[in-house]
Amino acid sequence: SQQGEEDPQALSIQEGENATMNCSYKTSINNLQWYRQNSGRGLVHLILIRSNEREKHSGRLRVTLDTSKKSSSLLITASRAADTASYFCAPEPMNYGGSQGNLIFGKGTKLSVKP
Amino acid sequence: DTGVSQNPRHKITKRGQNVTFRCDPISEHNRLYWYRQTLGQGPEFLTYFQNEAQLEKSRLLSDRFSAERPKGSFSTLEIQRTEQGDSAMYLCASTGGGETQYFGPGTRLTVL
Repeated sequence: SQQGEEDPQALSIQEGENATMNCSYKTSINNLQWYRQNSGRGLVHLILIRSNEREKHSGRLRVTLDTSKKSSSLLITASRAADTASYFCAPEPMNYGGSQGNLIFGKGTKLSVKP
Repeated sequence: DTGVSQNPRHKITKRGQNVTFRCDPISEHNRLYWYRQTLGQGPEFLTYFQNEAQLEKSRLLSDRFSAERPKGSFSTLEIQRTEQGDSAMYLCASTGGGETQYFGPGTRLTVL
């Protein structure tokens, strides 16, 4: 399987703390994306990092990518109760002939931020 | 609302019945994806379209599943002879040439 796998599966923190989620994958990728999903809802795109990038920031989010280790991390700083959700990494496998775009999701990290 | 829309949002059906879901992508997005998500799992890729052409199908897409995008705009996903194992959230996403996929709210299917 080319699945992205998130770690930990569940994370519970207090409001104001930082949350770090990790992702590992198995194949060469074009890019890796992180998504958030509130319970029973659709996915919201958070950030995309390309295979030639090592770090990217967006607001309180910081994503790193280490292609040699086939891993990525998502850091949410100064967490808020509204950050409570499941977070998924989605590596886009590299395909000959260009990007196909089909993302391979893991099971996600369920983040709970307590007020 | 200019986002991806899906209808219906919920569908309850009896085993053996056929169901059809619709996805309206963001206007002028040429790629459209279908995913399936079961409880506690991440979305699993089913198929995708580039305009009206269906370019890839997952092995998850058995012969009871068929997807169309006849005019390169909206898409339908039909499941024939539904089984209890088909119960899941069916998600649609679209992209306009960039890598970011914009997801709809999903259709939750329950097969009794």
